[in-house]
Amino acid sequence: GAVVSQHPSRVICKSGTSVKIECRSLDFQATTMFWYRQFPKQSLMLMATSNEGSKATYEQGVEKDKFLINHASLTLSTLTVTSAHPEDSSFYICSAPQGIYGYTFGSGTRLTVV
Amino acid sequence: GIQVEQSPPDLILQEGANSTLRCNFSDSVNNLQWFHQNPWGQLINLFYIPSGTKQNGRLSATTVATERYSLLYISSSQTTDSGVYFCAVDPDNTDKLIFGTGTRLQVFP
Repeated sequence: GAVVSQHPSRVICKSGTSVKIECRSLDFQATTMFWYRQFPKQSLMLMATSNEGSKATYEQGVEKDKFLINHASLTLSTLTVTSAHPEDSSFYICSAPQGIYGYTFGSGTRLTVV
Repeated sequence: GIQVEQSPPDLILQEGANSTLRCNFSDSVNNLQWFHQNPWGQLINLFYIPSGTKQNGRLSATTVATERYSLLYISSSQTTDSGVYFCAVDPDNTDKLIFGTGTRLQVFP
């Protein structure tokens, strides 16, 4: 089945630094990738949609200059959290739609900003 | 925007018990899915079920689109069923999912 590999699984960074999260589709071409964040014991909230070869679209309230998304190839989408602050600490998950077969999710990245 | 509410928020079961999880949504949708998030955070597809009934082993799901709800049935629960169950809807046919509030299930031996 379709697999999305997400790295890193955990990252701790200092406040003010940037962190890059990668999602790679291993056995299919992902023209679209969705990025979600999930705070502890809460639901998933859609942050943005990345489309290969075009600019990402962001959901209302998500700062596009803070959460930089790049989808330069059909197998790689990246999310960079710039100038991270403690309130950015969260679980970030990517997801690729698979039509009637549902969605393939990355394993998630737990970001802790200290 | 559309609201997606799940009940109950928490559920504790002994192994072998059956349960029903409910998902209510406030507007018509093109797509409804059920997912299981395991204790390590990985999300797994359970059902793509915009309407009707489907079964997969001990799990089954029913969506009544006209009444804007879906049910997930878990029979003979096992400890490996523990985790959070989410329903999610695509209201605009854009593949963007709006996730429900989730039901946290704990199954004890």
